[in-house]
Amino acid sequence: QQPVQSPQAVILREGEDAVINCSSSKALYSVHWYRQKHGEAPVFLMILLKGGEQKGHEKISASFNEKKQQSSLYLTASQLSYSGTYFCGTPVEGNLIFGKGTKLSVKP
Amino acid sequence: SAVISQKPSRDICQRGTSLTIQCQVDSQVTMMFWYRQQPGQSLTLIATANQGSEATYESGFVIDKFPISRPNLTFSTLTVSNMSPEDSSIYLCSATSGGSYGYTFGSGTRLTVV
Repeated sequence: QQPVQSPQAVILREGEDAVINCSSSKALYSVHWYRQKHGEAPVFLMILLKGGEQKGHEKISASFNEKKQQSSLYLTASQLSYSGTYFCGTPVEGNLIFGKGTKLSVKP
Repeated sequence: SAVISQKPSRDICQRGTSLTIQCQVDSQVTMMFWYRQQPGQSLTLIATANQGSEATYESGFVIDKFPISRPNLTFSTLTVSNMSPEDSSIYLCSATSGGSYGYTFGSGTRLTVV
């Protein structure tokens, strides 16, 4: 039931773009995205509630395709502050279950 | 969004003892949860803290080992009982008002059992 994230890790130079994917074998009704910096708590980025919906947070946006049971997080013109581990979370019987995470490193 | 105060932030405990972690939310929330996270790993749900009733535990977690209380809408405690080194981890409290609201997390408790 744990959503599957890919890639596991990505290294970027400042200004480059990245895409993080999250998929589930079960029907999805919503997807959460969080970012966790080293030694800190996860921070909520956005929630997608409808199929095909897109949302944005700074230069970070996401899409959700409920038919394909997947969501993608798009990081545009990455900044050093985007470094961290990104988790998607999907509700399972009312509880949020997190993927294994994608570690993003942005280098100057 | 809600702000969560979690304490202690870290502790080193002897095996066989118990530690109680407190979680205080600054506003009324619908749901509160307890997660465990090994360094560099994902978050694993321990249980949902239900207000005024017994917590709902995930597979692999039992009430005798991880008793949870939630006496009101803004406060919860997690006790790690009869600790062993395998319990060393980061424990995180989380809360949400549901719907389109995301989850807010406490800063975590880093537990080391020696």
